[in-house]
Amino acid sequence: DGGITQSPKYLFRKEGQNVTLSCEQNLNHDAMYWYRQDPGQGLRLIYYSQIVNDFQKGDIAEGYSVSREKKESFPLTVTSAQKNPTAFYLCASSPRGRGYTFGSGTRLTVV
Amino acid sequence: KQEVTQIPAALSVPEGENLVLNCSFTDSAIYNLQWFRQDPGKGLTSLLLIQSSQREQTSGRLNASLDKSSGRSTLYIAASQPGDSATYLCAVRLDYGGSQGNLIFGKGTKLSVKP
Repeated sequence: DGGITQSPKYLFRKEGQNVTLSCEQNLNHDAMYWYRQDPGQGLRLIYYSQIVNDFQKGDIAEGYSVSREKKESFPLTVTSAQKNPTAFYLCASSPRGRGYTFGSGTRLTVV
Repeated sequence: KQEVTQIPAALSVPEGENLVLNCSFTDSAIYNLQWFRQDPGKGLTSLLLIQSSQREQTSGRLNASLDKSSGRSTLYIAASQPGDSATYLCAVRLDYGGSQGNLIFGKGTKLSVKP
């Protein structure tokens, strides 16, 4: 079945450490997105990519980085520059102009 | 700047009741609108997608309507069940692609259906 796979489901980060969240889709969608969800804040866009080898900053890109080397993959790195990384991270994809499909999310906690 | 508002933030109803969730947006020039469901600790599940040229979409017990001129959408749930308990999110897309193609979300309505 087609869908979006996010891994890991839970991730723990030590202070000063970079961590990478994986997002893979087999829907043949052009566009992919990363959102951050905090209690009471709703979903906020971190980065998005509409084609391979191109990506754009969203509303809260500071402290994060991405790559889009393959159509199927859009990994997100949470760097040590992100001072408050504890959150629920959601990856999504969509064909142009159509609805979004979301993954099951990764919960990141700083320890 | 487009803003999406969902009222109420939380709703509790007895099982079997028909209910309406509301979504409003400030700029009527949207491309489409999508309703999602989110269970605790889970990702978002798409429920219905309404293109700007459409007035409503239906799926089973769910019906979503869109009134662009008034900047409103409603999600109607018929004969609610405890399994419908979740947070329901509304999101609008302003354009086909580019930065305007990104979804803008409301903060959701948390629904609890009591047996």
